[in-house]
Amino acid sequence: GDSVTQMEGPVTLSEEAFLTINCTYTATGYPSLFWYVQYPGEGLQLLLKATKADDKGSNKGFEATYRKETTSFHLEKGSVQVSDSAVYFCALSDRSSASKIIFGSGTRLSIRP
Amino acid sequence: GAGVSQSPSNKVTEKGKDVELRCDPISGHTALYWYRQSLGQGLEFLIYFQGNSAPDKSGLPSDRFSAERTGGSVSTLTIQRTQQEDSAVYLCASSLASARSYNEQFFGPGTRLTVL
Repeated sequence: GDSVTQMEGPVTLSEEAFLTINCTYTATGYPSLFWYVQYPGEGLQLLLKATKADDKGSNKGFEATYRKETTSFHLEKGSVQVSDSAVYFCALSDRSSASKIIFGSGTRLSIRP
Repeated sequence: GAGVSQSPSNKVTEKGKDVELRCDPISGHTALYWYRQSLGQGLEFLIYFQGNSAPDKSGLPSDRFSAERTGGSVSTLTIQRTQQEDSAVYLCASSLASARSYNEQFFGPGTRLTVL
């Protein structure tokens, strides 16, 4: 079945550092890909998405590019802030399976001032 | 407008008791999803509703779990004879449409269930 594998955490960085969180997927169809974020004490929210190969999703300085050839959707940000501390989930959704979301295990990110 | 709401926010119960968790989706959202977030299993899909019917129940972990949706709106997830491994945060999400195209799923704050 479809699955998502993402970088194990926790990840701790200093403010203004460059961030990469790796994510790869396995899917039989043509899924849409997402990054969700869960800030401390808050609910899960969509950070960015890409619906087809070579699409780039971006939001709040974060970017991820849908790479079909490497089945990857790595999350990047050029300069992280303390406020980016959260748990990040890579995920996919396949229209052939009722658009349910399949999540990776999550990566906890902590940013030091 | 109001987002997805869930109640209760926290529930502590004893092993063997039944529990009901409620989800109020965003008004007008026809699709509703239940997920479970637990330490051992991460975030996993449980069940999907389109209107009042549930075309995909594949994620329900056992026959102790059931869910219904009435009036195309409120949904209730029921866990019978709770076990300690049922302890988790239960998340509800809703979206505008069905499987034909992806529409963003909006998540509720979750119900934290603790089974003693």
